[in-house]
Amino acid sequence: ELKVEQNPLFLSMQEGKNYTIYCNYSTTSDRLYWYRQDPGKSLESLFVLLSNGAVKQEGRLMASLDTKARLSTLHITAAVHDLSATYFCAVAANSGYALNFGKGTSLLVTP
Amino acid sequence: GAGVSQSPRYKVAKRGQDVALRCDPISGHVSLFWYQQALGQGPEFLTYFQNEAQLDKSGLPSDRFFAERPEGSVSTLKIQRTQQEDSAVYLCASSLARGTGEGQPQHFGDGTRLSIL
Repeated sequence: ELKVEQNPLFLSMQEGKNYTIYCNYSTTSDRLYWYRQDPGKSLESLFVLLSNGAVKQEGRLMASLDTKARLSTLHITAAVHDLSATYFCAVAANSGYALNFGKGTSLLVTP
Repeated sequence: GAGVSQSPRYKVAKRGQDVALRCDPISGHVSLFWYQQALGQGPEFLTYFQNEAQLDKSGLPSDRFFAERPEGSVSTLKIQRTQQEDSAVYLCASSLARGTGEGQPQHFGDGTRLSIL
């Protein structure tokens, strides 16, 4: 069974600060996804990472993938209030059809 | 453009009733997924369709759960004899790719929030 662990689960940070969310997974995979979810809303796709060493950036968010360490990171640069949301990483096993999600990181950016 | 549409947005049912949840995927998307999301948790996989074929139903919690996609577009998730533990948000997602191949993201609907009294 593929397990996905995120940490931290809760994160309160000040505007303008930097921080990193970590996503570890338990079995071989070369497909990792980051999603954002606002309260009562659906999941919005942020990044798709397909290979070892992949790095993608969009605005203040940057995601990377190390398949050998089975680790992905989501780095937040100079946080702003609009980034407050829950962030999920999800991993696709090399066999099977499902996305396996972590429990999510609930991010609150305060003035 | 039209995204994944789910209805109803909210459903309240008494324990023991049957419910049906509908999903309209993005037009042309081959793959359709159902997930269950409990409060404060990540979504958990229920079942997967490739066109009209249900290729994986390993995540369905019991035989009270049934899903179909008869014409390869709209899908219905049915729960019979509902129990309180069925209370959750049910999310539908669709994708251009087959399964999780080709690195295409899954596009999610807003979900149906099901409450069993």
